[in-house]
Amino acid sequence: DAGITQSPRYKITETGRQVTLMCHQTWSHSYMFWYRQDLGHGLRLIYYSAAADITDKGEVPDGYVVSRSKTENFPLTLESATRSQTSVYFCASARGGYGNQPQHFGDGTRLSIL
Amino acid sequence: SQQGEEDPQALSIQEGENATMNCSYKTSINNLQWYRQNSGRGLVHLILIRSNEREKHSGRLRVTLDTSKKSSSLLITASRAADTASYFCATDNGNNRLAFGKGNQVVVIP
Repeated sequence: DAGITQSPRYKITETGRQVTLMCHQTWSHSYMFWYRQDLGHGLRLIYYSAAADITDKGEVPDGYVVSRSKTENFPLTLESATRSQTSVYFCASARGGYGNQPQHFGDGTRLSIL
Repeated sequence: SQQGEEDPQALSIQEGENATMNCSYKTSINNLQWYRQNSGRGLVHLILIRSNEREKHSGRLRVTLDTSKKSSSLLITASRAADTASYFCATDNGNNRLAFGKGNQVVVIP
C-alpha cells in the first residue's frame, strides 16, 4: 500500500544505547521531516531533507543524526540515547518544502529511554 | 521559531454542535495549515489557506484567516463523535519548514 510507514511502533531502550528509527515513503516525495511530540511542546522539527543526500537541521537537532541515501528512506539515529529523548517521533513527507504543500505523517514511534 | 498557538486548548461539545478553535501567530506568514490527530495516530492534513485568502471550506470544515490580526479559526459544523481528536495549526513563514502549535483537544460527546 502507498503511504508512509515508521518502524518500530514502540521501542524501549537504555541510556547510552544507539537506536535507529526507520521511515519509508512510497510517494517519491522530495521532502521528508522528523518531528518529536512532547506534552506541552507540540511538534518540534528535528531534521528535514529536501532530496537524497541533502539534509538540514531543524529546531532541536542535538543528539540526533539523519541520512538519506535513497529518496524513499529517511532514518533517524540517536547515537547515545538520553532520558530527555523519550518522546513520540513522527516522520512526514511532502512534495515541497515551502509550507505550501500538505505534509503526510506516519503513525509515529513511541520511544522510551530508561 | 514562530509557532501557531491554538485557543481554546480543550473543548468538549455535544454531537451535532459546532466547534470553533482559534490559532494566533506572531510574524507574517505565506500559508497556514490545519491538521487533525486521532489518539495514537499521526497528523492528518485538513486544509491549507494561503495568506491572500480569507476563507476556505472543505466539507464540514470552514477556515478563516485574518492576516491583520495574525489569527485563523477552524470551524467544524454538525460535529460527530468521530471528530474527537486534537487539532493543530501550522504556519509557514518562508523558512522552508512548518511551525506547529501545541494543539487543541476536542471531545465530541455522543
